[in-house]
Formats: sequence, structure tokens, C-alpha cells
Amino acid sequence: GENVEQHPSTLSVQEGDSAVIKCTYSDSASNYFPWYKQELGKGPQLIIDIRSNVGEKKDQRIAVTLNKTAKHFSLHITETQPEDSAVYFCAASTPKSNYKLTFGKGTLLTVNP
Amino acid sequence: GAVVSQHPSWVICKSGTSVKIECRSLDFQATTMFWYRQFPKQSLMLMATSNEGSKATYEQGVEKDKFLINHASLTLSTLTVTSAHPEDSSFYICSATLSRGHTEAFFGQGTRLTVV
Repeated sequence: GENVEQHPSTLSVQEGDSAVIKCTYSDSASNYFPWYKQELGKGPQLIIDIRSNVGEKKDQRIAVTLNKTAKHFSLHITETQPEDSAVYFCAASTPKSNYKLTFGKGTLLTVNP
Repeated sequence: GAVVSQHPSWVICKSGTSVKIECRSLDFQATTMFWYRQFPKQSLMLMATSNEGSKATYEQGVEKDKFLINHASLTLSTLTVTSAHPEDSSFYICSATLSRGHTEAFFGQGTRLTVV
């Protein structure tokens, strides 16, 4: 089955700096890659996603890049703010698994004011 | 985005009792719902896939008689933890997709279960 590796497990940045979280996946058939933000005690919230026919997608301060050849994708957050502090999860899914999501282990992002 | 509501948000129960958690899609019909379990500081672990009108598909290692899933309508799926024990204490989260094979999943706010 699919395996998703996520790095780093923790990331601390100063407010205004950029943050980058990287994920790799194992199944070349995976074609959907969402990123979720989870605040303490809450469910995950979809912040951005990308499909395999696109190499990059941007939404204001958040961007995701995908390299299908290398089977890795990354989340980029620019101009970080304290409210960006949370756990971020990457995930991958494939049609043959009925689009079940396989999650990475998560990255605890702390933005210091 | 679509809204998924989970109830209750937290529950405390005694060992040996059963607890039911509801997952509702509020503004869309969810053909498929997923149930996850999350331990502190860990990732989400898929427990089962619930399709409306059919039996749930459980992941390997998940006891189907322990975690009963019912998806009786297009807007409601329930997870019942039967004969709960302290080791069942966890954060349970559901998600729903708009249609079978649809990629985008919307998550509920989660239910914190504590078994004492």
C-alpha cells in the first residue's frame, strides 16, 4: 500500500519567515495530494491540495509543489504568522484505493512572534 | 467548503459501556464516510470506510465487532464503541466525501473519548 513520509516532525520559525514541509510517497499511482492543518483538539482542515496533472498551486501565502518523477511534494508558507502555528499533515490517495487518504506523521509548526 | 458535524465533541464513559458517535454531512450528501482514530501527537489512523447502504470496510487490525459502523443515510454515519475499555480512549474523527471516488474529504471536529 501507499506510504507517506513527512519531514520535519517539528519546525520553529520567526514570524514573517517562510516555512517548508516536505513529503514523499511510494505509490506512483497516487494522484491527489492534500495538506491539512490541525489545531489542538480539532479535526483537520483542508488548506490546499494538488492533483498529479499540476506541478504547483498557490493560494495567497500558501503554495504546494509536486514532483511526480521524484514522488515528493512540499508545502510552502510565506510570511508566517503566529496563527499559522499548528500541526500540518500531508496525505496522498490513489483511485485504486477508492481515494482513501494515507497521511504523513505530521509536522508541528511553531511561529514565534 | 462542505460542513461535516460530529457529535459529541467529547464524552466520558465507564468501562464496559458503549458509546455512539455521530457524523453528519450538513450541506451535502456523503456517499462515503471515513472513520479515523488519533492518539496524542500521532497521525490519523484509518479505521474503516463507510458507504451508504452497505457494510463498512474495516482496515486490517480493527475489530469490526468492537467498532460498529452504520451508514443508514446519505447524511449520517455512526460509530459505536462497544464494551469500551480505557485503551479505547482516543480522539475519533470522521470525514466525508461528496461522492464515491471524489477526492476532496471534509473532516468533522473530532470526538474525544475517555473511558474510565
